[in-house]
Amino acid sequence: EAQVTQNPRYLITVTGKKLTVTCSQNMNHEYMSWYRQDPGLGLRQIYYSMNVEVTDKGDVPEGYKVSRKEKRNFPLILESPSPNQTSLYFCASSPPGHSSRTDTQYFGPGTRLTVL
Amino acid sequence: AQSVTQLDSQVPVFEEAPVELRCNYSSSVSVYLFWYVQYPNQGLQLLLKYLSGSTLVKGINGFEAEFNKSQTSFHLRKPSVHISDTAEYFCAVSDHGQNFVFGPGTRLSVLP
Repeated sequence: EAQVTQNPRYLITVTGKKLTVTCSQNMNHEYMSWYRQDPGLGLRQIYYSMNVEVTDKGDVPEGYKVSRKEKRNFPLILESPSPNQTSLYFCASSPPGHSSRTDTQYFGPGTRLTVL
Repeated sequence: AQSVTQLDSQVPVFEEAPVELRCNYSSSVSVYLFWYVQYPNQGLQLLLKYLSGSTLVKGINGFEAEFNKSQTSFHLRKPSVHISDTAEYFCAVSDHGQNFVFGPGTRLSVLP
């Protein structure tokens, strides 16, 4: 089944404890992206990746890191989480095409993170 | 930089009534426009998108949207809603870059 998977789905942690949220897609998509969803703010893009070893900042990259060593995986890293990073996080991917900005994004199920 | 406004944070409507969810955007360049739906406890899925051509776009589940360049709008409509349409709806734009900007969302509640 074609899908985007995220792990963990739920995570409660404490301030300053490094964590990684994994994202994996099995559709051979080139474009991958991370969003956070907060009430009243919709989804805001954190980072995106056009292809392996190519990443770029979205609208709210502060406090986050990403890497794209393999096409299928795009982990989100919080080196020193803070309470304002408590949010619902979504990973998404788009199929290869002449322009990923026109393509449908396929979203993962989300990861609910709470930082105490 | 572009932005997206969804004026209605919540829209209650009775079953089988028509609905319109409003979306306005601002951008200094041409954009591509999308509507996504999020059912409770799920990720987002694409309803429809406007890339070029006909300004009336038809999507899944009986939804359609009309692109109006002069009013910078991309309102979503459905002539008759069902209980199963209860969800949150997000309008999004993408410009010549590779990033997407989403609106704050409109929560549609379909009442029996």
